[in-house]
Amino acid sequence: AQSVTQLGSHVSVSEGALVLLRCNYSSSVPPYLFWYVQYPNQGLQLLLKYTTGATLVKGINGFEAEFKKSETSFHLTKPSAHMSDAAEYFCAVSGPGGFKTIFGAGTRLFVKA
Amino acid sequence: DVKVTQSSRYLVKRTGEKVFLECVQDMDHENMFWYRQDPGLGLRLIYFSYDVKMKEKGDIPEGYSVSREKKERFSLILESASTNQTSMYLCASSPGGLGAYEQYFGPGTRLTVT
Repeated sequence: AQSVTQLGSHVSVSEGALVLLRCNYSSSVPPYLFWYVQYPNQGLQLLLKYTTGATLVKGINGFEAEFKKSETSFHLTKPSAHMSDAAEYFCAVSGPGGFKTIFGAGTRLFVKA
Repeated sequence: DVKVTQSSRYLVKRTGEKVFLECVQDMDHENMFWYRQDPGLGLRLIYFSYDVKMKEKGDIPEGYSVSREKKERFSLILESASTNQTSMYLCASSPGGLGAYEQYFGPGTRLTVT
């Protein structure tokens, strides 16, 4: 069975500050891990994904995430927040074939001027 | 670019009505999915389909059915809408096979049942 826990339903940062969104997972098989972003009134779009290989994954809009197997974590970071980063972020885990992708509850990011 | 479209952005229906939500993708993807999104609960899988006329129940199939007669189209049906089905409904698609494929989402349909 697989599950995802996102720590913090809301995160608020100042513009220019570090963004850190936390995600922990559990999986009985080697996981595929994803971060998606949802802007208001839109569907989800992929930010980045981890499959195998390099554990530090770079995505769009300056985001990156590091797969840490020992900590079962896949936290999302961005060095400097921009107002346009305000959105909801979802961490997700799946196995081979992509069936039954499990999504976290989401973290809403607020960026203060 | 993959495009997933949903028939309506907003829909208001009455209790007991039969409701059809349609989803179309243009990238020849084998897999299609229907989710509902509720605050604090993330996305929950209702049904998915890995081929034409094939369907599998997700985590919350009760009160819903689906139809996939053509590869590009996946319909979600609420046989008798109830107020607890008021939600955001998201359709998604992905390629088939064993790769770590991400899902491509439509813009969502916000359904209100009164």
